[in-house]
Amino acid sequence: ELKVEQNPLFLSMQEGKNYTIYCNYSTTSDRLYWYRQDPGKSLESLFVLLSNGAVKQEGRLMASLDTKARLSTLHITAAVHDLSATYFCAVNMDSNYQLIWGAGTKLIIKP
Amino acid sequence: NAGVMQNPRHLVRRRGQEARLRCSPVKGHSHVYWYRQLPEEGLKFMVYLQKENIIDESGMPKERFSAEFPKEGPSILRIQQVVRGDSAAYFCASSAQGNYGYTFGSGTRLTVV
Repeated sequence: ELKVEQNPLFLSMQEGKNYTIYCNYSTTSDRLYWYRQDPGKSLESLFVLLSNGAVKQEGRLMASLDTKARLSTLHITAAVHDLSATYFCAVNMDSNYQLIWGAGTKLIIKP
Repeated sequence: NAGVMQNPRHLVRRRGQEARLRCSPVKGHSHVYWYRQLPEEGLKFMVYLQKENIIDESGMPKERFSAEFPKEGPSILRIQQVVRGDSAAYFCASSAQGNYGYTFGSGTRLTVV
């Protein structure tokens, strides 16, 4: 059974700081997704990582994937208040259509 | 096309009533998925449908829950005789392919009182 674990589950940080969210998964996977969710809103797709060593960046967010370690990271550089949200990672298992989700990391960035 | 459209956005039902949640996929997408999200948790897969077919309903409770995706019209998630534990956000997603490129709707937040 595929399990996805995120840590930390809660993160409060100051603007301007850097931090990393971790996503571990338990079995081989084709794809890893990062989503952002604002309170009461839908899920916004941030990144799709397809292969070992994949790195993608958008603004202050950078995601990477290590399939051998079954680990993805979401790195936040010089955080700003607008990045406050809950971030989820989700994984497809071997071309299966189901997305298996982590519990989410609630990120609060204080001005 | 505005993407995946779900309605209603918020739904309040008394215990024992029926809840009907609607999802119109992105135009051209023939794959629809329903997920449930409890407060402070990640999403849990419920059911995967293609037009007129249920492909996988392994995540859906055996009783009271049903889903359909007719040839014409939106996909419907139906919950009969709702209980307080059904209170959650229900998200619909669609894709053109079966395992890639998901677009999520804004969700329906069901509250059972």
